[in-house]
Amino acid sequence: AQSVSQHNHHVILSEAASLELGCNYSYGGTVNLFWYVQYPGQHLQLLLKYFSGDPLVKGIKGFEAEFIKSKFSFNLRKPSVQWSDTAEYFCAVRGNNRLAFGKGNQVVVIP
Amino acid sequence: GAGVSQSPSNKVTEKGKDVELRCDPISGHTALYWYRQRLGQGLEFLIYFQGNSAPDKSGLPSDRFSAERTGESVSTLTIQRTQQEDSAVYLCASTGTGVHRNTEAFFGQGTRLTVV
Repeated sequence: AQSVSQHNHHVILSEAASLELGCNYSYGGTVNLFWYVQYPGQHLQLLLKYFSGDPLVKGIKGFEAEFIKSKFSFNLRKPSVQWSDTAEYFCAVRGNNRLAFGKGNQVVVIP
Repeated sequence: GAGVSQSPSNKVTEKGKDVELRCDPISGHTALYWYRQRLGQGLEFLIYFQGNSAPDKSGLPSDRFSAERTGESVSTLTIQRTQQEDSAVYLCASTGTGVHRNTEAFFGQGTRLTVV
């Protein structure tokens, strides 16, 4: 079964700072990759996804992620965060129909 | 329906009681997942249903946990003889498979279970 690692569980940064969240997975087969976001008091929402094609994918709200197959990574980035980006971010990997999540990154953006 | 619906949204139960949680997936979604999210933790996989295939139960933490799904419809997660460590948010997600497999999983709002 696949596993997903996210580091730096708690991230605090100021508005306009750049954000990068790491995601590494272990699975040898074909994978689909996702980043989900959970804003305070809300349910999980899709931020972006990768199935095939261009390994640099763009999602909502200015987020993007890059799939690097050789590194088994799918890191999330945003050049300039806003206070409204305060949320928990989860990386997920689907392989052989099993959908596994990382432990999440709690991101707090200070105005 | 338009999205994944879970009920109840909140449940407070006494230790030792049984509880049943319900999930209505998006119509036509053949795959359904249950996850548990403890406070400050990530999503812990519990069980996966795919059409009429045998479910993947490998994530169920103990024999007190069971889940059912008939075809591609509603699923119920049952926890028997609840313990305080069962307190968590239980999330359900559905997704398309087969020709529709290039879709993401859509989540319900979850059921917050508190065992007192």
